[in-house]
Amino acid sequence: KAGVTQTPRYLIKTRGQQVTLSCSPISGHRSVSWYQQTPGQGLQFLFEYFSETQRNKGNFPGRFSGRQFSNSRSEMNVSTLELGDSALYLCASSLAGGAMGSPLHFGNGTRLTVT
Amino acid sequence: TQLLEQSPQFLSIQEGENLTVYCNSSSVFSSLQWYRQEPGEGPVLLVTVVTGGEVKKLKRLTFQFGDARKDSSLHITAAQPGDTGLYLCAGLPITQGGSEKLVFGKGTKLTVNP
Repeated sequence: KAGVTQTPRYLIKTRGQQVTLSCSPISGHRSVSWYQQTPGQGLQFLFEYFSETQRNKGNFPGRFSGRQFSNSRSEMNVSTLELGDSALYLCASSLAGGAMGSPLHFGNGTRLTVT
Repeated sequence: TQLLEQSPQFLSIQEGENLTVYCNSSSVFSSLQWYRQEPGEGPVLLVTVVTGGEVKKLKRLTFQFGDARKDSSLHITAAQPGDTGLYLCAGLPITQGGSEKLVFGKGTKLTVNP
């Protein structure tokens, strides 16, 4: 069974640009969650999608957005990049979603560097 | 403020030693999960505990959920270099009418030296 796939693995962008990250969940998983991981703050929840609907949202500015397609694949977009957006962005899929206590299966992340 | 506090933040030990890491909160959780993350990879689930006082063993790893479901510990016996990684606890807080979100601690970075 293929795991969670995130693309690209590494990304370097300049302040003010925008970026789109992609996540393909495990087959059959309808929930996709996104997290930002930094050394100082740890894992911070961005949002969760379930069956193409945003079910939960963290405390991030509106520059961070996401969507989920009918095949459960998800994308997240960050507009007007800031230096502080440099982080490892992790996607996790699960059957019912983290809010239901369902185990999360993480991808290996996208390392975003903003210069 | 961090809902889940993990300690210690860093731990460096020799192969064969025992260790315990802690995950504490003032909030009550309906369940708590432990993950291990190795460099360059995403976190991998080790265990989920759901009952207060529950103890689960996974080979040399022992996980305990506090009676009041506010804290948890992970004990590793005879640590090996392969245990090296970032150990994360994550909990589902019990809320009243609010949307539930899985919250993570900042993790304990464990290094086991051969």
